[in-house]
Amino acid sequence: NAGVMQNPRHLVRRRGQEARLRCSPMKGHSHVYWYRQLPEEGLKFMVYLQKENIIDESGMPKERFSAEFPKEGPSILRIQQVVRGDSAAYFCASSPSREGLDTQYFGPGTRLTVL
Amino acid sequence: AQRVTQPEKLLSVFKGAPVELKCNYSYSGSPELFWYVQYSRQRLQLLLRHISRESIKGFTADLNKGETSFHLKKPFAQEEDSAMYYCALITTSGSRLTFGEGTQLTVNP
Repeated sequence: NAGVMQNPRHLVRRRGQEARLRCSPMKGHSHVYWYRQLPEEGLKFMVYLQKENIIDESGMPKERFSAEFPKEGPSILRIQQVVRGDSAAYFCASSPSREGLDTQYFGPGTRLTVL
Repeated sequence: AQRVTQPEKLLSVFKGAPVELKCNYSYSGSPELFWYVQYSRQRLQLLLRHISRESIKGFTADLNKGETSFHLKKPFAQEEDSAMYYCALITTSGSRLTFGEGTQLTVNP
């Protein structure tokens, strides 16, 4: 099992551009979580998705940010019109279910730099 | 709302010395507590969770509900233990992990 995959690992965008971050969960995992880590801070929850459904997006900024987890393909975190404050490491995690509070397995992260 | 606090951003010990990484939490219910570790250039990985009651790589953590703490301990630190350690909790009704800000442990030779 290759583990949770994220790409790209590093992404540079200019202010106003769009950023698309991809996450492929572990095989057999249907639950995906996105976290953001700002410099010098811990990871903060953004959104929790199952296939084709957003379950909890309470940690996601109301504007410019969106997430999806389609029936086929990876989960996508999309940031429109990026600003310097969006520079951070974005981590994806997956779990097989929520039954018994399954362990979340993390990807290597995408480091977004906004110039 | 739940909160996790790791009071030490940096902790430095010598090889063979005992180490304790502190973690306190606030939550009115019964959370599940975790320790995650991130070694240099590697991804975040689960070290242990309180429900398992197991020792991983010589580390143990006991949930103290009275003090709302989940400190991570190891009696004899090794150089390969040098890493960033994050304490986290999840509520029984929720799905999100709430992380502390992390403690960078350095074990000196």
